[in-house]
Amino acid sequence: GEDVEQSLFLSVREGDSSVINCTYTDSSSTYLYWYKQEPGAGLQLLTYIFSNMDMKQDQRLTVLLNKKDKHLSLRIADTQTGDSAIYFCAAPRGFKTIFGAGTRLFVKA
Amino acid sequence: GAVVSQHPSWVICKSGTSVKIECRSLDFQATTMFWYRQFPKQSLMLMATSNEGSKATYEQGVEKDKFLINHASLTLSTLTVTSAHPEDSSFYICSARVGAGGANEQYFGPGTRLTVT
Repeated sequence: GEDVEQSLFLSVREGDSSVINCTYTDSSSTYLYWYKQEPGAGLQLLTYIFSNMDMKQDQRLTVLLNKKDKHLSLRIADTQTGDSAIYFCAAPRGFKTIFGAGTRLFVKA
Repeated sequence: GAVVSQHPSWVICKSGTSVKIECRSLDFQATTMFWYRQFPKQSLMLMATSNEGSKATYEQGVEKDKFLINHASLTLSTLTVTSAHPEDSSFYICSARVGAGGANEQYFGPGTRLTVT
């Protein structure tokens, strides 16, 4: 199966919280990343978390890591229409980075 | 900091011609750059990894003679799509790795949309 898996679509109302989930297979991943891609643009690194951490918070973003279950989530508080984008979970494999398929977040006004 | 640029941002070319895409790290030196291809509504597919001054390492199924990669300096890598065909139409994205240790985060260029007619 895929090394990094994500659900493909999430729709939320403006002001609600968004939770994007990701599972990965390589337990040796030292870091795990979240990237954001807006239409027609490259990827923007949003945040990353060390594998020895359970949680990392950065303003409206909260990353939760369950290393036992190899589950990563990204919570966006007070979701805005500007948060509409594709969010990629990624894990390193050697010198490469393996990306999930991306979760398309749609924010309804 | 950590800005990566790509040029051109979009290009339309005729079938059979070659197209060169540049990727530059503007404010840092990138020992390793990556080239990805992205089809509509799909994830990124790694094409090759290039290190400054050495030959690129291509992923399985990627034709090295068709997708020529040159990493001439610590701030510039180029991808040349040779004898382009309509099936090469895609969104090409480069990224540069900052350092060799630590978080090893990659910084991405804005992408180049190639359309082959």
